[in-house]
Amino acid sequence: EIVLTQSPTTMAASPGEKVTLTCRASSSVSYMYWYQQKSGTSPKLWIYDTSKLASGVPNRFSGSGSGTSYSLTISSMETEDTATYYCQQGRSYPYTFGAGTKLELK
Amino acid sequence: EVQLVESGGGLVQPGRSLKLSCAASGFTFSDYYMAWVRQAPTKGLEWVASISYDGGSTYYRDSVKGRFTISRDNAKSSLYLQMDSLRSEDTATYYCTTDLSTLAYWGQGTLVTVSS
Repeated sequence: EIVLTQSPTTMAASPGEKVTLTCRASSSVSYMYWYQQKSGTSPKLWIYDTSKLASGVPNRFSGSGSGTSYSLTISSMETEDTATYYCQQGRSYPYTFGAGTKLELK
Repeated sequence: EVQLVESGGGLVQPGRSLKLSCAASGFTFSDYYMAWVRQAPTKGLEWVASISYDGGSTYYRDSVKGRFTISRDNAKSSLYLQMDSLRSEDTATYYCTTDLSTLAYWGQGTLVTVSS
């Protein structure tokens, strides 16, 4: 089973601040997927195939990485970005998720 | 518009069974693998099971193997999860998702509570 480790667990960012969330895999994967989940709602696909933005995702978001190290970056934090972000690998079953990074507004 | 609507959740005693359903619309159901993902209260996401286009291949996480059965009916555009021998640790919101390695579409979830 591929273990995904996200960091930080929680963080607070000010409006306009650049934010970087990381996800490390215990084994190499070809792609990483990211989901945004706001309190009380279903997760939404946010980034797929490591760096492609899902439909409707603002272009202040970007994804990058390869092998065992991946990241999600917000170029300029906005209020609506407060949420929990999960990474997920789909290389093989069992699919696994990171524990999530809770992003709050400072 | 893609829609996934789960149903069948509720309160069930440990050791009992429950069957979840997911009604899909807005896309060609048979073109997608499908999956169930769960989320325990205040916890993270956990993949549970997936099924291939025609149901010929199924995949499970170890903790539910032998207790849960994923199935589908392409004629009805429906996905199912039969859950037997339920345990308290199965308490979670269960989401139906499309599965093409990425989990692109999600339902609203159905809450399963296992408690005496």
